[in-house]
Amino acid sequence: QSALTQPASVSGSPGQSITISCTGTSSDVGGYNYVSWYQQHPGKAPKLMICDVSNRPSGVSNRFSGSKSGNTASLTISGLQAEDEADYYCSSYTSSSTLVFGTGTKVTVL
Amino acid sequence: QVQLVESGGGVVQPGMSLRLSCAASRFTFSNYAMHWVRQAPGKGLEWVAVLSYDGNNKYYADSVKGRFTISRDTSKNTLYLQMNSLRVDDTAVYYCARDLRAWSSNWYYFDYWGQGTLVTVSS
Repeated sequence: QSALTQPASVSGSPGQSITISCTGTSSDVGGYNYVSWYQQHPGKAPKLMICDVSNRPSGVSNRFSGSKSGNTASLTISGLQAEDEADYYCSSYTSSSTLVFGTGTKVTVL
Repeated sequence: QVQLVESGGGVVQPGMSLRLSCAASRFTFSNYAMHWVRQAPGKGLEWVAVLSYDGNNKYYADSVKGRFTISRDTSKNTLYLQMNSLRVDDTAVYYCARDLRAWSSNWYYFDYWGQGTLVTVSS
């Protein structure tokens, strides 16, 4: 159950688009379309932003989008805003019927 | 609005035990799989355990298997995490979280989270 690999940090200016990658294996990300993304602001509980690789739960801005290719999933934030500055974690279902998170990415809005 | 309130955290010595509770309200507790997720200070999220909606299936992260036990009391709408043989690296904020979909035979996402309870394992 190794953590999925994410870049430690990604930054962008307001209005720009950024993409966060999440790399796993054929036993997790590559084997199932059960990838999700969570946003966590300091001192707060995480918030579900994307499920089923690319679906947005009700209430989540359409500036957030997800995709997957092979063993790598991606989260794109378009029209970057100051409020998007937070930590982001991917998660995947695994062949062991467990869940695994990514290492986390700190997004900085310049 | 769904509410999850964790309790039971504290400071314990290595090798000791602790039981965490998560009181659930404003939804039908027995219809959802429930999870425990932890976060060490300044670190990332780590999934710990899941209990299926029907209570028949339990799965654990390798790091806690054999030491932690997830359970629930549906009459009290409460989820538990019994933690035995605690280690220094179990130090974390422990969150309970509800799975997204009711009556699902699998578990994939967390839609509601509690505020967390801090467990510190130190001699």
